[in-house]
Amino acid sequence: GQNIDQPTEMTATEGAIVQINCTYQTSGFNGLFWYQQHAGEAPTFLSYNVLDGLEEKGRFSSFLSRSKGYSYLLLKELQMKDSASYLCAVSAKAAGNKLTFGGGTRVLVKP
Amino acid sequence: GAVVSQHPSWVICKSGTSVKIECRSLDFQATTMFWYRQFPKQSLMLMATSNEGSKATYEQGVEKDKFLINHASLTLSTLTVTSAHPEDSSFYICSARAFMDRRLEQYFGPGTRLTVT
Repeated sequence: GQNIDQPTEMTATEGAIVQINCTYQTSGFNGLFWYQQHAGEAPTFLSYNVLDGLEEKGRFSSFLSRSKGYSYLLLKELQMKDSASYLCAVSAKAAGNKLTFGGGTRVLVKP
Repeated sequence: GAVVSQHPSWVICKSGTSVKIECRSLDFQATTMFWYRQFPKQSLMLMATSNEGSKATYEQGVEKDKFLINHASLTLSTLTVTSAHPEDSSFYICSARAFMDRRLEQYFGPGTRLTVT
């Protein structure tokens, strides 16, 4: 099976930087996704990494190391609206290319 | 990013009736569509995977006769909850996957909140 771990909750101050780590164990890795989900809403796509390295998209960046089974999502210049759950999801051939989600990291941004 | 729509956004129905939820990829053709369910404060739970023109693949524990999935085209999939009961009340979310610019992307619809009374 697959195992995806991410912290349950993180708190940060408005304007700061927060890094959400995600570790995974899987067979036939086929990509890692990050999603943002506000309470009561569906997830919104943030990033997709399949090769090692850092991908930057505005205030959000995502990093992947396939050899370490590790990814992180970096949120810069935090805003109050960034308070949400952040979901790490892995696609793997062993799971028929379906996404397997971590439990999500709830980020609380304080003024 | 790409847009996935879902209709209706919310629905209240009586126990024993059936409810159909539509999922459309608006500006791209989805190679695969997925249906998820999410209970309050819980993770997304995959119900089934659907490819256009073929039968859906259901996850263990999901009754295929209760949750009917039809994937009529590369842009439309429907989920019908048959003979709904209060325990089927949940947030149902579809997701569409496609290759865009040689990258795999998967987008979620806005979800349908189903309440069965």
